[in-house]
Amino acid sequence: DQQVKQNSPSLSVQEGRISILNCDYTNSMFDYFLWYKKYPAEGPTFLISISSIKDKNEDGRFTVFLNKSAKHLSLHIVPSQPGDSAVYFCAARLNTDKLIFGTGTRLQVFP
Amino acid sequence: GAGVSQSPSNKVTEKGKDVELRCDPISGHTALYWYRQSLGQGLEFLIYFQGNSAPDKSGLPSDRFSAERTGGSVSTLTIQRTQQEDSAVYLCASSLAPPGSADTQYFGPGTRLTVL
Repeated sequence: DQQVKQNSPSLSVQEGRISILNCDYTNSMFDYFLWYKKYPAEGPTFLISISSIKDKNEDGRFTVFLNKSAKHLSLHIVPSQPGDSAVYFCAARLNTDKLIFGTGTRLQVFP
Repeated sequence: GAGVSQSPSNKVTEKGKDVELRCDPISGHTALYWYRQSLGQGLEFLIYFQGNSAPDKSGLPSDRFSAERTGGSVSTLTIQRTQQEDSAVYLCASSLAPPGSADTQYFGPGTRLTVL
């Protein structure tokens, strides 16, 4: 049973436009959500996070939105850059330090 | 400072053989995690070490999998009698986090295991 779902395996966006990556979850007890970015042959790197008590967190070009009633999380990247091309993983935490990851969305930003 | 390192970067083995994967966490990080990513799947939690506490082994898929962490630092993940379905990228992560915090986990580059 996949508790964290990223239903879009891939996304292609033109440079300068907004990239929106989506994530849905099933467990209302998750208390923290994170986005990780992964380049080929490298481990995931932390990008941005949000506590379940907030609905928005912004860091430069990256903004994460949380809609608890819909159990939906999204990552907005604006403006998108070619260097943003990577696989993005959504992750959720359940009262421990163990993270449950989604299957990832491959973002390609083209010139 | 150095990040999380893992060795080997690639491992090809024959079905039925045992393998050991090594993780060197960031110095001073008390928490260490193992995950694996199978083809087309997300990161699957395997095991979690926090300080001197008993590890959380709830993610280990079978008793062929075991892990230890010596001296609160280096960790070894052992897979006995490997099967083809064990083929995956095995990722290690560490963090400073005490339990219940939301500190970032820092990942190593992973070990790609291929079982023929």
